[in-house]
Amino acid sequence: AQSVTQLDSHVSVSEGTPVLLRCNYSSSYSPSLFWYVQHPNKGLQLLLKYTSAATLVKGINGFEAEFKKSETSFHLTKPSAHMSDAAEYFCVVSGESGGYQKVTFGTGTKLQVIP
Amino acid sequence: EPEVTQTPSHQVTQMGQEVILRCVPISNHLYFYWYRQILGQKVEFLVSFYNNEISEKSEIFDDQFSVERPDGSNFTLKIRSTKLEDSAMYFCASSGETEKLFFGSGTQLSVL
Repeated sequence: AQSVTQLDSHVSVSEGTPVLLRCNYSSSYSPSLFWYVQHPNKGLQLLLKYTSAATLVKGINGFEAEFKKSETSFHLTKPSAHMSDAAEYFCVVSGESGGYQKVTFGTGTKLQVIP
Repeated sequence: EPEVTQTPSHQVTQMGQEVILRCVPISNHLYFYWYRQILGQKVEFLVSFYNNEISEKSEIFDDQFSVERPDGSNFTLKIRSTKLEDSAMYFCASSGETEKLFFGSGTQLSVL
């Protein structure tokens, strides 16, 4: 079975302060993990991905995420929030199941950045 | 970077009409997906397609829905008789061997 849990539906931070968006996953095989961002009225954009190489993954716009197998986590962080980071963020897990790729989305975390 | 193209960006239809949402995946990709997002709700998986057949589908993907890859480049989602609750943003995605999903910018379907 495969699942993704995003622990916070809403996160609010002040501009210039760190961002932490939490994601835990469950998978019976070695998954690939992704973070996608969706700005209002826009499509889904890939921020970063983990595919069994380095556990600390750097993405676009200063975001990074660390894969921790022992904690089954893949939290997204950014040292300093910018107003343009306000969006919804989705943690996604992907892996092979029965010969096919299975992709599961988390429920999303809305990030609010306060000026 | 290569991209997935979806057309139209916005489709308005009357309840009970058939709609076809079109997608052009990235040319060397093997896996194709449709997702949807009802306004204010989470992204929901509809169907995955591999080797010219459906590999997995969700409960949402009932007999009113069908997918096709008619010509080796397009990947279409057909809704036979639209309902009000089908109004949503529909996203097409494709992936190759790396499992990295490339999403299109979506088609906003409005059923009146």
